[in-house]
Amino acid sequence: GAVVSQHPSWVICKSGTSVKIECRSLDFQATTMFWYRQFPKQSLMLMATSNEGSKATYEQGVEKDKFLINHASLTLSTLTVTSAHPEDSSFYICSAGEGANYNSPLHFGNGTRLTVT
Amino acid sequence: AQSVTQLDSHVSVSEGTPVLLRCNYSSSYSPSLFWYVQHPNKGLQLLLKYTSAATLVKGINGFEAEFKKSETSFHLTKPSAHMSDAAEYFCVVSYTGGFKTIFGAGTRLFVKA
Repeated sequence: GAVVSQHPSWVICKSGTSVKIECRSLDFQATTMFWYRQFPKQSLMLMATSNEGSKATYEQGVEKDKFLINHASLTLSTLTVTSAHPEDSSFYICSAGEGANYNSPLHFGNGTRLTVT
Repeated sequence: AQSVTQLDSHVSVSEGTPVLLRCNYSSSYSPSLFWYVQHPNKGLQLLLKYTSAATLVKGINGFEAEFKKSETSFHLTKPSAHMSDAAEYFCVVSYTGGFKTIFGAGTRLFVKA
């Protein structure tokens, strides 16, 4: 089946540094990938939609300058948390769809636990 | 407006007893419906999906769900719970116009020995 690989699975960084998270579709091409943030015991909050070869679309309230998204190829999207602060600590998850329609299920990475000290 | 409501924030069952996780949706269009499971500190795994074919959908690990248009429901069931089923379950709805997806708030399933 379709696999989405997300790395790293966890990362600890100091306040003020930047962290890059990678999301790869291993056996399919994904023109669109999604980035979510999940707070403890809550559902997923869509942060942005990553489009291959074009700018990402950010959800309302998400700072595009803090959460930089790059989707340079059909199998790789990256999320960079710039100048991270403790309040950015969270669980980040990416997903990608195999097909180009709403009937296609999303495949999720295993998430990245970010802790900013 | 489209929305998804998972009626129970948590469900507790004994091992070997049936599981029922409830999901209702509202939509002006014909949706695609999905159930995902999330184990602690993991991503989401697809259990099953409904995409306007058979209304009773069978998924992995013995789970199934029935799409009831008249009730706008897509409840997830399993005849006999196993300890490994303990996890968070999300009901997800997708609509036309691309990958517009709406996540339910999630239901935490506890399985007692």
